[in-house]
Amino acid sequence: DIQMTQSPSSLSASVGDRVTITCRASQSISNYLNWYQQKPGKAPNLLIYAASSLQSGVPSRFSGSGSETDFTLTISSLQPEDFATYYCQQSAGTPYTFGQGTKLEIK
Amino acid sequence: EVLLAESGGGLVQPGGSLRLSCAASEFTVSSNYMSWVRQAPGKGLEWVSVIYSGGSTFYADSVKGRFTISRDNSKNTLYLQMNSLRAEDTAVYYCARDRYGDSTFDYWGQGTLVTVSS
Repeated sequence: DIQMTQSPSSLSASVGDRVTITCRASQSISNYLNWYQQKPGKAPNLLIYAASSLQSGVPSRFSGSGSETDFTLTISSLQPEDFATYYCQQSAGTPYTFGQGTKLEIK
Repeated sequence: EVLLAESGGGLVQPGGSLRLSCAASEFTVSSNYMSWVRQAPGKGLEWVSVIYSGGSTFYADSVKGRFTISRDNSKNTLYLQMNSLRAEDTAVYYCARDRYGDSTFDYWGQGTLVTVSS
């Protein structure tokens, strides 16, 4: 199975900050990497697919990059509604594993 | 608007069974890959199972042999039959649509809670 490791596990930041979350795959997955945002009590919401493509309706302050084993999610200027938990997910093959999550909190 | 609505969760004793349903609106379940993803209380996301449009099915090792994914085309509904339930199966179960058969989940249901406890 492909293991996905996110860092950091938690992060404190302020409104307006630039934030980067990283995700590392245990083997090459090309660009088969997605990012989701989840707020408490809600289902996950797709932000980025294929490593760097922005899902329709997602604000342009979210961006993704990377390939093979190393990927990043960047939020260019944090907004109050961005404080949530973020997950990466590999879609290269079953089982479709997720990272352990990064909880983004208000400083 | 695409909607997914899960039902069937609840409290069940260890060793028991439960069937979850996921009713879909504004798209055809049988034309898409559909997955179940679960989240234990306070934990991260775990993919459980997928059914491809052609009917092939795959499972996480943690549920293989105990869970069965299926669909009813006439009802446009996805199912997850869960047998031999264990305490570690306690979670919110989400159904999710695969965007273009690329294992990217673009629509999710609201989730249904399964609690396995005596």
